[in-house]
Amino acid sequence: GAVVSQHPSRVICKSGTSVKIECRSLDFQATTMFWYRQFPKQSLMLMATSNEGSKATYEQGVEKDKFLINHASLTLSTLTVTSAHPEDSSFYICSANRLEMGAQYFGPGTRLTVL
Amino acid sequence: QKEVEQNSGPLSVPEGAIASLNCTYSDRVSQSFFWYRQYSGKSPELIMSIYSNGDKEDGRFTAQLNKASQYVSLLIRDSQPSDSATYLCAGQTGANNLFFGTGTRLTVIP
Repeated sequence: GAVVSQHPSRVICKSGTSVKIECRSLDFQATTMFWYRQFPKQSLMLMATSNEGSKATYEQGVEKDKFLINHASLTLSTLTVTSAHPEDSSFYICSANRLEMGAQYFGPGTRLTVL
Repeated sequence: QKEVEQNSGPLSVPEGAIASLNCTYSDRVSQSFFWYRQYSGKSPELIMSIYSNGDKEDGRFTAQLNKASQYVSLLIRDSQPSDSATYLCAGQTGANNLFFGTGTRLTVIP
C-alpha cells in the first residue's frame, strides 16, 4: 500500500525556536499534500493544503507566517513552525493524495512539545 | 451544519458482536467517503472507502452509503479487542479536501 513518512516522529524544543517537519510520499508522487493538527482527545483539524510548485492554501485561523509550508518536489512537503510556543504543542500529521487510489494516506505523525 | 457529523459515542460492544458506526454529511462533501481507524497516539489508517450508493464489503468491514439520506456507516462484524480504536468518518470535497467527523471511540470487550 501507499506509504507516507514523517520526520521527526517526536520533537521537544524551547519556546521561541523553529521546528521543521518533513513529509514524504515514498512510493508515489503527490501533487497535493495536507497538514493536520490534532490536540488530545480531539479530531483532526486541517491546517493547510500544500501544492507542489505553488503556494499553500491555509485554512481560516491558521497563520501562514507562523506555519510555513514548502512543497518543493512531488514527494516532499515541509512544515516549519516558527517561533514555537507551548500552545503549539500538538500532534502534527501530514497526508498525501494518491489519485489512482482515490484516497488520502497519512504519515505517522510528529508529536511536538514546546517547553 | 458541520461538513461531517459523527455519533460521538463512546461505543462498547462484546467480542464477536457487530459494531455499527454512523455519519451524516452536508452537501459540501458529496464526492467520496472514507473510514479511518486511529489507535491512541497514532495517525489515522485508511480502512474503507466508498463512492457509490450501496454496500461495500472488505473482510469483516462493510461500508454503507446512502446519498439520498446523506448517510454513511461502517459495520464491523465479529468484533475483536484489536478493533478497539477511534473510528473517523471523512468526506471529500471536489477539491480533494477531507473533512473529518469528531470520531467514535469503540471498545470491544473480551
